[in-house]
Amino acid sequence: GAVVSQHPSRVICKSGTSVKIECRSLDFQATTMFWYRQFPKQSLMLMATSNEGSKATYEQGVEKDKFLINHASLTLSTLTVTSAHPEDSSFYICSARSGQGAVNTEAFFGQGTRLTVV
Amino acid sequence: SQKIEQNSEALNIQEGKTATLTCNYTNYSPAYLQWYRQDPGRGPVFLLLIRENEKEKRKERLKVTFDTTLKQSLFHITASQPADSATYLCALGIGSARQLTFGSGTQLTVLP
Repeated sequence: GAVVSQHPSRVICKSGTSVKIECRSLDFQATTMFWYRQFPKQSLMLMATSNEGSKATYEQGVEKDKFLINHASLTLSTLTVTSAHPEDSSFYICSARSGQGAVNTEAFFGQGTRLTVV
Repeated sequence: SQKIEQNSEALNIQEGKTATLTCNYTNYSPAYLQWYRQDPGRGPVFLLLIRENEKEKRKERLKVTFDTTLKQSLFHITASQPADSATYLCALGIGSARQLTFGSGTQLTVLP
């Protein structure tokens, strides 16, 4: 299957600093990427939908100024957690689907990023 | 309110038996349903997709059923192995939306 690479896999940062997470589709063009957040033993919660070349669509309750998403190319989307606080500590996962018309298809997920804010 | 519920948080079974996991949903009309496997500290990996007009799908030792009347999907792993131990997530595809809505998962442990 297609490969989505997410980097870094783990990051520890100080409170108040910003952290950037990258999500790359390695062997296909992803017009749409999705960013999720997952707390222990809980479901993946969709944060935002990122479309190449346009502004991301954020889910209700997600602060767009805090979680900056950039999808500048068909193979790269980034999530920047700005002014991080300990409550932002979580597991962040990106996913991508290939093709614009392929609605009923599997999603390919990155390996996830464990963010710890101290 | 809309809900996706997976039968239990944890399920333990003996190696060689069939594991059956349940995904129930309310107030959704999904066009399709998917099952994913997630290992600790990793992103989910796609297993199977079943559409609303399909009753059953199989892939090797895996079988998925989809009953839109009961609003339920069953996920079966036959001849289970310790390597099948993981968290299994169901996800609904709603209409023309391209995002998935996930259940909270069932942690399966296959005991040797």
